[in-house]
Amino acid sequence: DAGVIQSPRHEVTEMGQEVTLRCKPISGHDYLFWYRQTMMRGLELLIYFNNNVPIDDSGMPEDRFSAKMPNASFSTLKIQPSEPRDSAVYFCASSLTMGGEPQHFGDGTRLSIL
Amino acid sequence: TQLLEQSPQFLSIQEGENLTVYCNSSSVFSSLQWYRQEPGEGPVLLVTVVTGGEVKKLKRLTFQFGDARKDSSLHITAAQPGDTGLYLCAGANAGGTSYGKLTFGQGTILTVHP
Repeated sequence: DAGVIQSPRHEVTEMGQEVTLRCKPISGHDYLFWYRQTMMRGLELLIYFNNNVPIDDSGMPEDRFSAKMPNASFSTLKIQPSEPRDSAVYFCASSLTMGGEPQHFGDGTRLSIL
Repeated sequence: TQLLEQSPQFLSIQEGENLTVYCNSSSVFSSLQWYRQEPGEGPVLLVTVVTGGEVKKLKRLTFQFGDARKDSSLHITAAQPGDTGLYLCAGANAGGTSYGKLTFGQGTILTVHP
């Protein structure tokens, strides 16, 4: 079975540029999560969706970040304009339900903003 | 915001030694999960504990959930180099609109030397 697929695996761009990260969740999973991982702050939840609807975006750092889920098999996380402090590994995860169910993570996108 | 304090942050031991990783919080969780993450990959679920006082064993790994469901521990017996990695605990919110939402600990980087 295919797991969660993220693209690109690596992204290097200059500050001010728009960055779009992509995620394909596991088929049949109703929940999709976007996380950011840094050495300083660990793994932080940015936003999550249930049946393509954003439920909790309280972790989104600021208005430069936006996320969409146009259908059950695709989601994007966009940063515009990007800043060096956005450099991190961004993970997408999906799960069948909330509360006790495992979250299945993709391999992440390593983002470097110069 | 629920916080999950994980310790130690770094652990460097010799093959064959035992170790324990702790996760503590002042908040009650509906369940607690332990994940393992290897470089360049996303976290992978090891176990979920749900009931206060629950103990689960996975080969040489023993997981315990505190009686009050506020803390957990991971004990590894006779560590092997293959156990090397980042270990993350994650507590699921016990109620409210964020039920099931995971809060991750900072992680423990374990290195087992041959």
